Amino acid sequence: AQTVTQSQPEMSVQEAETVTLSCTYDTSENNYYLFWYKQPPSRQMILVIRQEAYKQQNATENRFSVNFQKAAKSFSLKISDSQLGDTAMYFCAPAGPTSGTYKYIFGTGTRLKVLA
Amino acid sequence: DAGVTQSPTHLIKTRGQQVTLRCSPKSGHDTVSWYQQALGQGPQFIFQYYEEEERQRGNFPDRFSGHQFPNYSSELNVNALLLGDSALYLCASSWGSISGNTIYFGEGSWLTVV
Repeated sequence: AQTVTQSQPEMSVQEAETVTLSCTYDTSENNYYLFWYKQPPSRQMILVIRQEAYKQQNATENRFSVNFQKAAKSFSLKISDSQLGDTAMYFCAPAGPTSGTYKYIFGTGTRLKVLA
Repeated sequence: DAGVTQSPTHLIKTRGQQVTLRCSPKSGHDTVSWYQQALGQGPQFIFQYYEEEERQRGNFPDRFSGHQFPNYSSELNVNALLLGDSALYLCASSWGSISGNTIYFGEGSWLTVV
């Protein structure tokens, strides 16, 4: 069974600074994917970044990058040059095959506040 | 290109009633999943539909049921509503259920049970 843990319920960062959100997960699968989604106050879930577990190279998307440690089952998100618009809930979500289809499981989230 | 659309956006029901929520997936997507998100919590997986069949189910009672239509749209039905069913219900769609493709979310349906 897949499980995911986000150990930081809340974090804050000054505008233009860098912040790292942590995520650990557990899966017995070898072929899976990892996602970070953000949910601003509008409640619309938006994809931030996607990582394929079979790729050793860490994914990057502009100011967002991940530190993927497969052996440690760790998948942290780094936000560089934080902006006020980054204020949101961030959810880590591993997706692995279960009973023939992929199942996406979400963590409890980290509330990030970017301070002006 | 229309994204995932859900209806209604807000609704209020009384305990014991039944509710139906609707979802149209993003164009080109054939897989629909439903999530329940209580206030301050992460989304909890309810079930996933692909080829008009329920393929996966989370830890939700049989009061929660669903359907997928030939045009890939989906409905979530909840019977005998309880106060604890009050939550944001999110629909997510993707292409293919056998790969880790990105899932795209609708804006959700806010259900309040009184």
